Amino acid sequence: KQEVTQIPAALSVPEGENLVLNCSFTDSAIYNLQWFRQDPGKGLTSLLLIQSSQREQTSGRLNASLDKSSGRSTLYIAASQPGDSATYLCAVISNQGGKLIFGQGTELSVKP
Amino acid sequence: ETGVTQSPTHLIKTRGQQVTLRCSSQSGHNTVSWYQQALGQGPQFIFQYYREEENGRGNFPPRFSGLQFPNYSSELNVNALELDDSALYLCASSHPGHNSPLHFGNGTRLTVT
Repeated sequence: KQEVTQIPAALSVPEGENLVLNCSFTDSAIYNLQWFRQDPGKGLTSLLLIQSSQREQTSGRLNASLDKSSGRSTLYIAASQPGDSATYLCAVISNQGGKLIFGQGTELSVKP
Repeated sequence: ETGVTQSPTHLIKTRGQQVTLRCSSQSGHNTVSWYQQALGQGPQFIFQYYREEENGRGNFPPRFSGLQFPNYSSELNVNALELDDSALYLCASSHPGHNSPLHFGNGTRLTVT
């Protein structure tokens, strides 16, 4: 059974700092991994999707990497801003089915 | 391009009642998925609809049911509500295929008292 874990559960950093969020999954047989952002009480916004054959994806200040063999992904945020404060969720689609399996999220707070 | 819209945004129900939540998919998307997100947790997959047929179901009891209409909009119905059904219910639409990104609505916050 696929399980997704995110560490840390919460993170507080000063504005301008570079930071890394971690995601691990137990079964390497995945189609892809996605990173989402969720603002309080809101839905999810897709940030990056990495297909199983890819190693990384970049969008602006965000860079996500994928290491299938070790079951790990990282989301790197450069030059963090207070507007980056949100919960970040990673999710995988396993080869066994088309559903997204989510981690519990990392709550990020960027202090001015 | 119209995004995913859900209604209502908030709802309060009493234990034992029934509820219907609605979702309009993003233009051009024919696949709709529903997720339940309890407070402080990641979303849990309920089920997925493709071309009006259920196309996968998570570990939820039969009192959770759904529909997809010819215009690809969808409903989630929950019967015999329990206190633990209190959660944010998220709808997501996509093109078919595992590598199509999901686009989520803002959710319906259901409170069962």
